[in-house]
Amino acid sequence: GDSVTQMEGPVTLSEEAFLTINCTYTATGYPSLFWYVQYPGEGLQLLLKATKADDKGSNKGFEATYRKETTSFHLEKGSVQVSDSAVYFCALSDSDNFNKFYFGSGTKLNVKP
Amino acid sequence: EAQVTQNPRYLITVTGKKLTVTCSQNMNHEYMSWYRQDPGLGLRQIYYSMNVEVTDKGDVPEGYKVSRKEKRNFPLILESPSPNQTSLYFCASSLHHSNQPQHFGDGTRLSIL
Repeated sequence: GDSVTQMEGPVTLSEEAFLTINCTYTATGYPSLFWYVQYPGEGLQLLLKATKADDKGSNKGFEATYRKETTSFHLEKGSVQVSDSAVYFCALSDSDNFNKFYFGSGTKLNVKP
Repeated sequence: EAQVTQNPRYLITVTGKKLTVTCSQNMNHEYMSWYRQDPGLGLRQIYYSMNVEVTDKGDVPEGYKVSRKEKRNFPLILESPSPNQTSLYFCASSLHHSNQPQHFGDGTRLSIL
């Protein structure tokens, strides 16, 4: 079945450092890919998405490119801030059934001043 | 304000005592879904609903029931809770299906003793 694998955390960075969180997926068709973010004590919020190969999703300085050849959707940001500290989830929706949704295990990011 | 509201936010109960977690959205969304979040496993989909009276199983439906009698409400029912259902539960909704941005509630933390 479909699945999402994320790099384990926590990831600890200093402010203004470059961020990469790796995400790879397994899917039979052509899924849509997402990054959701969860701030402490809150529900998840959509950060960005990409619906087809080579699409780049971007939002709030974060970017991720849908790479079908490597089945990856890595999250990047050029300069992180303390306010970016959160848990980041990579996810996919099944192209055969857009009602089914799969999350990775989440990566906690700590940004220190 | 557009929101997904879950109740209760916290509940401690005992094995076998039936409980219901309510979920309500005010955005006229067709799609609603329940997830459980466990350490190291991320979020896993329990059940989803495409519209009134239309529901289907996600990845981990065992031990849960749902109903969708009205568009705005999607309660999660644990008929005979067991300790392995101790978890953090999230309800989410989107316009038509999970491929669109999902709006999440703030979560319900259940402890089954």
